[in-house]
Amino acid sequence: DVQMTQSPSYLAASPGESVSISCKASKSISNYLAWYQQKPGEAYKLLIYSGSTLQSGTPSRFSGSGSGTDFTLTIRSLEPEDFGLYYCQQYYEKPNTFGAGTKLELK
Amino acid sequence: EVQLQQSGAELVKPGASVKLSCKTSGYTFSNYYMSWLKQMPGQNIEWIGNIYGGNGGTGYNQKFKGKATLTVDKSSSTAYMDLSSLTSEDSAVYFCAREYYDGTYYYDYVMDAWGQGASVTVSS
Repeated sequence: DVQMTQSPSYLAASPGESVSISCKASKSISNYLAWYQQKPGEAYKLLIYSGSTLQSGTPSRFSGSGSGTDFTLTIRSLEPEDFGLYYCQQYYEKPNTFGAGTKLELK
Repeated sequence: EVQLQQSGAELVKPGASVKLSCKTSGYTFSNYYMSWLKQMPGQNIEWIGNIYGGNGGTGYNQKFKGKATLTVDKSSSTAYMDLSSLTSEDSAVYFCAREYYDGTYYYDYVMDAWGQGASVTVSS
């Protein structure tokens, strides 16, 4: 299975700041990468797919980049509602696999 | 509005089976694939398998073959997952999640709508 390594596992930031989350695949996955957000008490939400395509409804302050093995989720000018858990997922190869998650907390 | 409503928490004995449900609304059930996923505390999310709402065709993660059985009931737009021969390793939260279809292209294994999760605890 393709291993997905996410970093950092924990990130503290203030509203208005910009943050980046890294996701590295154990082999090339082209751009078959998605990012999800989970907030307490809410369902998982698809933010980005195909590495950089924003899902309908995802605010433009979110962006995804990368291809091959290295990917980045960037959130510019954090809003209070952005704090939560973020996961990357590869869907290049079956079974699709997820990173361990990054917890973004309010500093 | 797309909604996936999962059945409630289950407490089951080792060796028993459990059937989880995922009742959908707000979209044409038969046009989409439904995935099921497992998340143990502190562990990565694992993909169990998926099923096509139109004909019940399935695909499984090799790891979960023999453990999970996926079915659908088109008449009620509901997906089901049976878990058998339960052990403590099956204690987890299980999610159903719809796979993304933009009307032209199926984005295999990209999940654009999730259920709230159902907790399964295996204990005697």
